[in-house]
Amino acid sequence: GAVVSQHPSWVICKSGTSVKIECRSLDFQATTMFWYRQFPKQSLMLMATSNEGSKATYEQGVEKDKFLINHASLTLSTLTVTSAHPEDSSFYICSADTGPRDTQYFGPGTRLTVL
Amino acid sequence: AQKITQTQPGMFVQEKEAVTLDCTYDTSDQSYGLFWYKQPSSGEMIFLIYQGSYDEQNATEGRYSLNFQKARKSANLVISASQLGDSAMYFCAMTSGGSWGKLQFGAGTQVVVTP
Repeated sequence: GAVVSQHPSWVICKSGTSVKIECRSLDFQATTMFWYRQFPKQSLMLMATSNEGSKATYEQGVEKDKFLINHASLTLSTLTVTSAHPEDSSFYICSADTGPRDTQYFGPGTRLTVL
Repeated sequence: AQKITQTQPGMFVQEKEAVTLDCTYDTSDQSYGLFWYKQPSSGEMIFLIYQGSYDEQNATEGRYSLNFQKARKSANLVISASQLGDSAMYFCAMTSGGSWGKLQFGAGTQVVVTP
């Protein structure tokens, strides 16, 4: 149980285009999902907290207009990188809680390369 | 503000030996959770073990055990009988208080298991 999927697993796009990444909880409902970014050889950094039915909460320094988050249902959150630039190239990982005070499970990640 | 510190950037361990990965934390919250995740080269984050701040006993999960020393604010991971498949990046993470669910990660420790 507690499986989280992400799609796509990797994407290459041209500078200026927008990219949508989906995060799904496959066998449980996730009221809250989290989006992280990981640059090469670095740790994971929390970008935003995604709550079903409400606006996402962004961490300091993360541009909400650039990284659009939509948590449309209890099993799906999407991250859209708008007008992507090479510096947005990174590994994006989502996670979901199985419940209050429970363990977070991570998706397999999406590797974004912007040319 | 909370902080997670992993001081070992990398280490080699021989197959079948035990290895201890260090993690210290700092938080003013009384209620917090500590996690260890494994990240192989594929990038996925694999949950290993969880310790709650009010748990009196050290957590164990198979070959993984967490040496929780609350007064010293340390949560070291012990992997017993290392296997070649244990080669990966290991991250210590914490969540606490009113921001429960948001994980803050340490810098990680790269473990290489040798035959």
